[in-house]
Parts: sequence; structure tokens; C-alpha cells
Amino acid sequence: GQQLNQSPQSMFIQEGEDVSMNCTSSSIFNTWLWYKQDPGEGPVLLIALYKAGELTSNGRLTAQFGITRKDSFLNISASIPSDVGIYFCAGQTGANNLFFGTGTRLTVIP
Amino acid sequence: NAGVTQTPKFQVLKTGQSMTLQCAQDMNHEYMSWYRQDPGMGLRLIHYSVGAGITDQGEVPNGYNVSRSTTEDFPLRLLSAAPSQTSVYFCASSYSGSFGDEQYFGPGTRLTVT
Repeated sequence: GQQLNQSPQSMFIQEGEDVSMNCTSSSIFNTWLWYKQDPGEGPVLLIALYKAGELTSNGRLTAQFGITRKDSFLNISASIPSDVGIYFCAGQTGANNLFFGTGTRLTVIP
Repeated sequence: NAGVTQTPKFQVLKTGQSMTLQCAQDMNHEYMSWYRQDPGMGLRLIHYSVGAGITDQGEVPNGYNVSRSTTEDFPLRLLSAAPSQTSVYFCASSYSGSFGDEQYFGPGTRLTVT
């Protein structure tokens, strides 16, 4: 399957700090998605990106679809304790072909 | 709406046993899928279905069977469990599985095979 590499693997930050994480692949994707997973729950979609170069915001979250279509980043501004969780990127090549990254575990210290 | 529901939440099996993981959705979604989540590997697609009576293999289908007799239900069967199938299993559904369709995930089933 497709390999999506996320970095960093884990982050410990102070409440109020900004967070940046990214996802890279050797393959081209037509759609990039970012999910958050809380402990004991399934992933929930945060942001979807459909066009190379697209920059999309959802509240304190901002994500970009890389120009090469092989990467994407997610920024979280002014982090709060409920931002804790695992963040996954996912790339889609076609209908029914969704590949997930390895995840970034975020810890926010109050 | 209950969304996507999965049962059981936890299961322990012995090697060679069989079991069925249940998944149901009440959103009238055509597309349903099963993923497994292993540490450090993200979610990987096992099987998917684009509608009742239609199923297909994903990235890691070996050792698993599925069927889709109704729009609502998409059970995953392990015919002869192996320790390598120890994982967390997620069921997901979306309207059609196409680009732009949000996939909704269930809460997961944590399976341990000893």
C-alpha cells in the first residue's frame, strides 16, 4: 500500500502554543484529509483538501494541500487541553482508496 | 441517529477460534468499510462495500471475510484467528465512498488473539 510518513510522531506542548505537523508521501494524492482520534474512539474528520495548493481553515485549524500533491501540513493555533489526541493524515487516490499516515500524538500541558 | 455502531467493544480469542465483528449504521450510507489499526502503522483498509450485495478487498484482506446483505450491516468475520490479527478494528461508512464524502467511524473493537 501507499506509505504516508507523518512527523513528528509525538509532541508535548504548553497550552496556548501553536502546533505544526506534516505528512509526506512518495505518491501523488487527489485528496488530503486530516483526522483526530480521541482515546477509545474512532477518527473524526477535521479538514478535507481537494486541490493542490489549497489552504483551508476550520476554526483554529489550518491545513494545506502541497503543490506537488505529495504532502500536506496541519497547524493548530493557540492550543487548548481538548486538542489532546492522535492526528492522522490520509490521502485518497480514487474512490475507495484511502491511505492513512502513522499519526502524531499530541499532548497539551495546561 | 446512532451513527456507526460496533460490537463488541473488546474481545479475547484463542488461536484458531472464529468470530464475527458487528457493524451497523443508520445513516443510509451506501459505502461501508473495515480498517485495522496497529501501533505505528495508521489505519489499513481490510474490505469495503459500495452497496448491498457488493464487497471488495482492501489493502490487507487475508484472514477476513465480509458480506453485505443489507445497507445497514457490514459484519467482519475471522474464520481462524491468529495472533497477527490482534488489533483495533474500525468500521466506517460514507454516502458513496467518493471524493469529498466524509467517512464516519465507529468507536472500534479491540481484539486480542492469544
